[in-house]
This record gives sequence, structure tokens and C-alpha cells, in this order.
Amino acid sequence: QQPVQSPQAVILREGEDAVINCSSSKALYSVHWYRQKHGEAPVFLMILLKGGEQKGHEKISASFNEKKQQSSLYLTASQLSYSGTYFCGTEIGLTDSWGKLQFGAGTQVVVTP
Amino acid sequence: DAGITQSPRHKVTETGTPVTLRCHQTENHRYMYWYRQDPGHGLRLIHYSYGVKDTDKGEVSDGYSVSRSKTEDFLLTLESATSSQTSVYFCAISESTLPGELFFGEGSRLTVL
Repeated sequence: QQPVQSPQAVILREGEDAVINCSSSKALYSVHWYRQKHGEAPVFLMILLKGGEQKGHEKISASFNEKKQQSSLYLTASQLSYSGTYFCGTEIGLTDSWGKLQFGAGTQVVVTP
Repeated sequence: DAGITQSPRHKVTETGTPVTLRCHQTENHRYMYWYRQDPGHGLRLIHYSYGVKDTDKGEVSDGYSVSRSKTEDFLLTLESATSSQTSVYFCAISESTLPGELFFGEGSRLTVL
């Protein structure tokens, strides 16, 4: 079952903040975040591991709540370059699922001047 | 760039014809994946490979087969294409199955008429 992302879309002005959530019904070992610009390949942002620390990438950071099987991606002081579709990918960590991510449907982010 | 090349990048074909998509990597990474991307579904895993002649099914493998006779090449075959297989196909590579970054190719857009 793929993870659920919310919201489906968000429109921001430059400098504003946003939060994207990713939740799973399964116990997770790791959560991955990717960003995809229109017509391009997804690009890796960060990984959060069970028991690990909060991660950051430029002014984009994320957290992982293991008890709730949820991850949140924080876009702080957004820039025009942050526009794109953000995907979370989850890994449950069982032996036969190593390296196999299940992706959410994506959150489209539009940052306007 | 991660050294991943997908071919063809665009293809239009008719229902019932066979189609093969090729993923070629120059990174000598052991792990390779085929995903399809459709609106509202994010990225869904079709097949993956943990090495030469070591492949397995993902969550949406029906109607697809793969082969990997060399480390650098991972082929995805649609034996008899259907309109439901119209999609953008992404190949991805990873250095290991441990939670790590996926590098995606630029995608192959397939239209089945």
C-alpha cells in the first residue's frame, strides 16, 4: 500500500514556508524524499532512518515520527527553485523489501514571485 | 550525472506489439530498478535486479518482463503492449540495497495506441 501524501498541491509566495506530510499504514524503516521538476527525473533530497536524526538540505528539512509512521518535509523561506513535485518513498525494511521503495502520489509545489 | 541512459526516450506503438526499453549505466552499480509513473500514482516499481541474472517482481509486474545479462544493462519488455501501459518509465540505480539514494534516468515516454 503506497504512503499517503498531503496536501496534493500547495502554492506559495517566495519566502513563505510549507509542510508536506507522508504517512504509512506500515511500520517503516526509512523514508526518502525526492523532488521532480516538470519533464525531468526525480532527484534525491534526503533519507530519514528509523532511530536517526532529522535531516536537512539547504532550507529544506524533514522529520520522521516512528510512532506514527509519518514523515514531514519542511520548506522554509521558499525559493522559486523549490517549485516541483515532491515525493516521499517508504521502505519497510523487511529482508525481502530491501531497496524497494513505495512512493506516494506526490505533492505539487508552486512558488510564485 | 549518474551515468544512466534510457532508450528510446519516446516511443509510440500499437496495441499488441512488443516493446523493449533499455537502461544502460556506466556506474557499475549492482542494483537497478524499473518504475512507471502515472498521474495520481507517483512512481510504482515494476521489476528490480540485484545483479546479473538476478531479477524479481515489483508491485505492478503483470505484463512486463526484464532481463539483465550484463551489469550495465537492464531491459524492460512489454511482450504485447496494451493501452494501460501508456506511461513514463524510469530506470533507477543504487549503489546498495541499504537505504540509499536512487539515481534516476531521464525517463522513456511510451504511448500505446
